[in-house]
Amino acid sequence: QKEVEQNSGPLSVPEGAIASLNCTYSDRGSQSFFWYRQYSGKSPELIMFIYSNGDKEDGRFTAQLNKASQYVSLLIRDSQPSDSATYLCAVHTGGFKTIFGAGTRLFVKA
Amino acid sequence: DAGVIQSPRHEVTEMGQEVTLRCKPISGHDYLFWYRQTMMRGLELLIYFNNNVPIDDSGMPEDRFSAKMPNASFSTLKIQPSEPRDSAVYFCASSFAGAMNTGELFFGEGSRLTVL
Repeated sequence: QKEVEQNSGPLSVPEGAIASLNCTYSDRGSQSFFWYRQYSGKSPELIMFIYSNGDKEDGRFTAQLNKASQYVSLLIRDSQPSDSATYLCAVHTGGFKTIFGAGTRLFVKA
Repeated sequence: DAGVIQSPRHEVTEMGQEVTLRCKPISGHDYLFWYRQTMMRGLELLIYFNNNVPIDDSGMPEDRFSAKMPNASFSTLKIQPSEPRDSAVYFCASSFAGAMNTGELFFGEGSRLTVL
C-alpha cells in the first residue's frame, strides 16, 4: 500500500462547478497535510495546509481532514479553466519527511 | 532573491554513463530534498538533508544513486551507471523550519533526464 493515495483522474468539471479531490494516507501518526498544485511542465507549489480535523477555507479552496478515516480532500469552488492542473496531496511522516501522492489531474472546461 | 537553482535543466545520456545533477538551495534554508517524478510513480522522495546531514535516504532506489551536500549552498545527486528506467524529472526543493511547519517546500524547476 502506498503511503499517500490519490485517484489519478483525469477529473473533468465544467467552469463554475465544484471540483472535489480526494486523498488517503496510511500513517496514522501523520499530523500535517498539504495540497500542492502543479501546472504542466512546472514545479509544484503549495496552495493549502491543514492540521486539525474539519474544514479550512482559503478563498475558493477548502481543505477537509478526517484523521479517523485517514482522509484529506480539497474542494475548489467556482472552478476556472486556470485551475486545470495536477493536484498533489502531501503528508509529513516522521518529522519533516514529506511524502506526495501521485496526483489527480483536473480539467476545467470553459 | 533567487529561488532554488538546478542544473542541468535537460540531460540526454546513454545507458551506462554517469549523470550528476546539481542543486543550489535558497540561502538560509537548512532543509534540502531530492525528488524524482515520473508519470507511472508520481513524485517520489529520494533523500532529504537537514543542516547538510542526510536524514532519510530510504527512497534512494539502489546503490547506483548517491547524494551529497558538502555545504549549505550545494548538493549533488549522482547516478552511476545510468539506466533507461532512470529517465524522469528530478526536483530539488529547499525549506526552513518555519516554512516546514506549514509544509512549504520551495522547488527548483527540475532537471529532465533522458537515458537512451
